[in-house]
Amino acid sequence: DAMVIQNPRYQVTQFGKPVTLSCSQTLNHNVMYWYQQKSSQAPKLLFHYYDKDFNNEADTPDNFQSRRPNTSFCFLDIRSPGLGDAAMYLCATSREGRGFGEQYFGPGTRLTVT
Amino acid sequence: AQSVTQPDIHITVSEGASLELRCNYSYGATPYLFWYVQSPGQGLQLLLKYFSGDTLVQGIKGFEAEFKRSQSSFNLRKPSVHWSDAAEYFCAVGYSGGYQKVTFGTGTKLQVIP
Repeated sequence: DAMVIQNPRYQVTQFGKPVTLSCSQTLNHNVMYWYQQKSSQAPKLLFHYYDKDFNNEADTPDNFQSRRPNTSFCFLDIRSPGLGDAAMYLCATSREGRGFGEQYFGPGTRLTVT
Repeated sequence: AQSVTQPDIHITVSEGASLELRCNYSYGATPYLFWYVQSPGQGLQLLLKYFSGDTLVQGIKGFEAEFKRSQSSFNLRKPSVHWSDAAEYFCAVGYSGGYQKVTFGTGTKLQVIP
């Protein structure tokens, strides 16, 4: 089945230690998104890629970076995680082109910062 | 700017009872509307969507939603709730401002009691 895969599902990192979360998709969608979701809150968009075109949300901290080496993969890098960065990180994809494409979500990576 | 309001943070219903989750949106143009469900520790799954046409939309798992332009609402309904429906439900509005984006409501947590 076509899907969005996130690895790892659970990640523990130390305060200030860089961490990378990965997302892959078999849907061949041209848009990929990264969301941060804290407990009992709505997902908050961090940034997205339209093909190779990177789009940062205005309030996304500089501590968060992203890479998309090809259509299938996208990475979220947190350069110096703080305790406030502990959250669920959700990757999503959509196909933009004809009409509005709904987003398909991966299962998420839960990040713990110690 | 677009926004979504889900006035009920938490709802408890008995198994077999009917369910209605409320959603109000604010958007200047014709909205793209979605309902997603999130089980604990999981990503978001699309239940249904409204783009245009028939204002009563059928989704998966027996859910339906009705778009009412005059009330700026897109309420989610199910005639008979099952214990497996316990989850968090997010309403979302999609918009195209250069790139496709989605704004989520804060979610409604559904508890189902025997």
